[in-house]
Amino acid sequence: EVQLLESGGGLVQPGGSLRLSCAASGFTFGSYGMSWVRQAPGKGLEWVSAISDSGGSTDHADSVKGRFTISRDNSKNTLYLQMNSLRAEDTAVYYCAKSRLVTRDSMDVWGQGTTVTVSS
Amino acid sequence: DIQMTQSPSTLSASVGDRVTITCRASQSISSWLAWYQQKPGKAPNLLIYKASSLESGVPSRFSGSGSGTEFTLTISSLQPDDFATYYCQQYDSYLTWTFGQGTKVEIK
Repeated sequence: EVQLLESGGGLVQPGGSLRLSCAASGFTFGSYGMSWVRQAPGKGLEWVSAISDSGGSTDHADSVKGRFTISRDNSKNTLYLQMNSLRAEDTAVYYCAKSRLVTRDSMDVWGQGTTVTVSS
Repeated sequence: DIQMTQSPSTLSASVGDRVTITCRASQSISSWLAWYQQKPGKAPNLLIYKASSLESGVPSRFSGSGSGTEFTLTISSLQPDDFATYYCQQYDSYLTWTFGQGTKVEIK
């Protein structure tokens, strides 16, 4: 079964850091682009970051650029999101998602999400 | 950056109704558009990719159309399981995706 399992969320103070992980199983992880998408409480979906299958290309939304870094370890079938200088507005459920076929594609498999709360 | 605008924001409909949701892009995105369904507390679910291709396992009452800057998602006969929020997403810009703000389909 194709599966994504996020972890690493929690409560953090403003200015703090967290690293999210997304463990993949059931497919050849290194053959697919991956993304992080978040959803603030009561709000819509916001794309955060994306990475190519090899990890050689990445991009981030303007709202997190310079603070968040997406990376992957294909030998461990794991996607990461390093989040620094966290702000209250980063409070959200964070989902990892797999590109359907190629990196520039829709997202056909999603994790269950991990909750990040930024508050003092 | 490409902006995506959905309309309406909320839609009230009855079981059996034909429902149409519109998504407009701020510039041409060819057919690089997906539609997702999300239910409360759950992850989004891919319905349509490349503007009009139905994802495997998705009921045929869902269909997508459009290209360039204007796109539609149609549910031909609304079922009880379809009451949810729907999002469009562009993937024209490599590794820089954008979602619409969502359309909530409510029971009339």
